[in-house]
Amino acid sequence: EAQVTQNPRYLITVTGKKLTVTCSQNMNHEYMSWYRQDPGLGLRQIYYSMNVEVTDKGDVPEGYKVSRKEKRNFPLILESPSPNQTSLYFCASSPQRPQETQYFGPGTRLLVL
Amino acid sequence: EDKVVQSPLSLVVHEGDTVTLNCSYEVTNFRSLLWYKQEKKAPTFLFMLTSSGIEKKSGRLSSILDKKELSSILNITATQTGDSAIYLCAVGTGNQFYFGTGTSLTVIP
Repeated sequence: EAQVTQNPRYLITVTGKKLTVTCSQNMNHEYMSWYRQDPGLGLRQIYYSMNVEVTDKGDVPEGYKVSRKEKRNFPLILESPSPNQTSLYFCASSPQRPQETQYFGPGTRLLVL
Repeated sequence: EDKVVQSPLSLVVHEGDTVTLNCSYEVTNFRSLLWYKQEKKAPTFLFMLTSSGIEKKSGRLSSILDKKELSSILNITATQTGDSAIYLCAVGTGNQFYFGTGTSLTVIP
């Protein structure tokens, strides 16, 4: 089944404790992206990747890191999480350029205490 | 600054009503406009509109892109309670997607 998977789905952590949210797609998509969704602010793009080893900042990259060592995986790293990073995070992928439709993962709900 | 604005923010209608959701955008390098439906989970794709495909229809849902006015509408006819959701508009540029904040639609029996 074609899908985007994320893990974990729910995470409660404390300020400053490094964490990684994994994202994997099995559709051989070139483009992958991370978003955060907050009430009243909608979905905002954190980082995106056009292909392996090619990543770039979106609108809200501060406090996040990503890597794209393999085509299928695009982990999101929070080196030192803070409470303002409490949010719902979505990973998404699309075949090539972002003008094509994106397929979203199920979301990761993160709470930073 | 690239931005996407949706209106209204929320809408409550009765089953059977017709609704129109609006999306306007100001972006550089417009490539596509997409509509998504989001219930209590990840957004699911509805339509994609581009310069070469400015009108789409699927069942009771239809959408039109107005490139001159830099806007799009999403119409839902004969609404059902299952249409209750947040409807998101996104605009794709050369590298990025920009989302609006969404329209929350509630359909009451």
